Amino acid sequence: DAKTTQPPSMDCAEGRAANLPCNHSTISGNEYVYWYRQIHSQGPQYIIHGLKNNETNEMASLIITEDRKSSTLILPHATLRDTAVYYCIVSAYSSASKIIFGSGTRLSIRP
Amino acid sequence: DTGVSQDPRHKITKRGQNVTFRCDPISEHNRLYWYRQTLGQGPEFLTYFQNEAQLEKSRLLSDRFSAERPKGSFSTLEIQRTEQGDSAMYLCASSLAAAANNEQFFGPGTRLTVL
Repeated sequence: DAKTTQPPSMDCAEGRAANLPCNHSTISGNEYVYWYRQIHSQGPQYIIHGLKNNETNEMASLIITEDRKSSTLILPHATLRDTAVYYCIVSAYSSASKIIFGSGTRLSIRP
Repeated sequence: DTGVSQDPRHKITKRGQNVTFRCDPISEHNRLYWYRQTLGQGPEFLTYFQNEAQLEKSRLLSDRFSAERPKGSFSTLEIQRTEQGDSAMYLCASSLAAAANNEQFFGPGTRLTVL
């Protein structure tokens, strides 16, 4: 079973920051937080991952709370192309690692 | 385009027929994964290979399913005696075991419809 809880859907205005929350209250000390997204009719795409520090790359920022029980993915300037299902996943870095997806958050960007 | 290709992209078959799907991973990737995704759900793990060795299989992978990766490069997933419940998107992913972030690169999937 997935170890994360996400809202089923969200929407955001184009050009604004999209903030996607994720709860992972049972996360273990050796587990990372990963985010993938899946645009309609495509395979999932890796976005970002982190352990306990905040991370930023060209796609997004990841903010992890100090107790690591929740995190937020931030798309700083959402565009229509960011419309997708976003999956928050916890996974041990050393594992093989099959990805255990939940149902994700369906993010809709409105013009 | 992630560099992972799958063939065919769509397959329609009648119940009881056998089907085979192919996945070509990114060439230097030694890990290859198969997932299945039904409408409205996230992908579910089926099986994974490291090089040619099949190291893990999900309980979802019934006896009618078999996967191979004979030379540690491309992989095939065969479903025998298909059932309507097998209708789904079958996704392949690959990764490099030594990669710093464990990122998996997914192909576009094969959509199977069993009539």
